Amino acid sequence: DTGVSQNPRHKITKRGQNVTFRCDPISEHNRLYWYRQTLGQGPEFLTYFQNEAQLEKSRLLSDRFSAERPKGSFSTLEIQRTEQGDSAMYLCASSSQGNNEQFFGPGTRLTVL
Amino acid sequence: DAKTTQPTSMDCAEGRAANLPCNHSTISGNEYVYWYRQIHSQGPQYIIHGLKNNETNEMASLIITEDRKSSTLILPHATLRDTAVYYCIVRPANAGGTSYGKLTFGQGTILTVHP
Repeated sequence: DTGVSQNPRHKITKRGQNVTFRCDPISEHNRLYWYRQTLGQGPEFLTYFQNEAQLEKSRLLSDRFSAERPKGSFSTLEIQRTEQGDSAMYLCASSSQGNNEQFFGPGTRLTVL
Repeated sequence: DAKTTQPTSMDCAEGRAANLPCNHSTISGNEYVYWYRQIHSQGPQYIIHGLKNNETNEMASLIITEDRKSSTLILPHATLRDTAVYYCIVRPANAGGTSYGKLTFGQGTILTVHP
């Protein structure tokens, strides 16, 4: 399968712990996006990379959140000092230059106890 | 980005056409209309997009009114596997006429296809 992959698929953690998620985009895609989705809501944009450059960050991305894409390929999203309100599905998507379509991964479901 | 308004839920009989409306009365001239859908426990999936003209692909047809203030997504022969949340999104075009950057999702329409 050459689609967008995300790991882990599920993560349960205790409040105050740090978590890190990984996204592997489709190999030739230079754009990578992170979204967050809570139950019953549509996905909300968090941040976006073009190659290794982080071009846009939502104000939802507090200082406890950091995203990286060091070599312009895979990306990581880290949440420090998790809170119960961070419980959500974290979705990654990728797209190629000149292509309007974003391809989404299956998401990482985070539960903060 | 312009705001979109969609019905919360719709039902459709299997084999019939599903017509999903979307209002985007504040759309501006350089903004495209996109449709995505999200099947339970999966990431969103692109369906179709358009600017002014009606569009058709293997999944659906998109009808945009002449004033561009509303659109309708048509699934011509709905199947049980089309049960999903359908999102209508307005997205600005960038230089060169493509769109990249964030998608702004609303709450979408829950389409339930019945046998």
